[in-house]
Amino acid sequence: EAGVTQSPTHLIKTRGQQATLRCSPISGHTSVYWYQQALGLGLQFLLWYDEGEERNRGNFPPRFSGRQFPNYSSELNVNALELEDSALYLCASSSDYYTEAFFGQGTRLTVV
Amino acid sequence: GQQLNQSPQSMFIQEGEDVSMNCTSSSIFNTWLWYKQDPGEGPVLLIALYKAGELTSNGRLTAQFGITRKDSFLNISASIPSDVGIYFCAGPTSGTYKYIFGTGTRLKVLA
Repeated sequence: EAGVTQSPTHLIKTRGQQATLRCSPISGHTSVYWYQQALGLGLQFLLWYDEGEERNRGNFPPRFSGRQFPNYSSELNVNALELEDSALYLCASSSDYYTEAFFGQGTRLTVV
Repeated sequence: GQQLNQSPQSMFIQEGEDVSMNCTSSSIFNTWLWYKQDPGEGPVLLIALYKAGELTSNGRLTAQFGITRKDSFLNISASIPSDVGIYFCAGPTSGTYKYIFGTGTRLKVLA
């Protein structure tokens, strides 16, 4: 069974541009979570999608947004990129909010 | 808001030693999870705990769900070099509905 897959693996953008990151959850999982992990730091909760709806978001500005598609895959969009947006963006999925979440390998976003 | 505090922040141990780390919260959790992250990779789930007092093992790893539901412990026995990495506790909060992570314990094993 395939795990959580994220694309692209690496992304380099210039300041002010937009970035789109993609995530395919484990088959059967309806919840998708997005996290930002700056170099050497912990995981900061970004967004939670379930059944196509945004259920909650962390303390990030509105230029961080996303959506979940009918097949439960998800997209994270970051507009007006800033240098400090450079980080590893991790996606996880679970079958239910209170069950264990499994992670993808992440997308390394570099803003120059 | 709810947060998870992990200790210690980092550990340097000799190969073969046992390791203990813990995670505490000011709020009750219904699920406790432990993950290990290698540099540049996504966290890998080690152990999931769902019941207060539950003690679960996965090979050399043992984790416990605290009776108060506000803490959890992870023990690694007879450490080996590949145990190196960052260990995170995590859990879905109730009320605020954020799946949050602890600050991490960085483990280094000296051969």
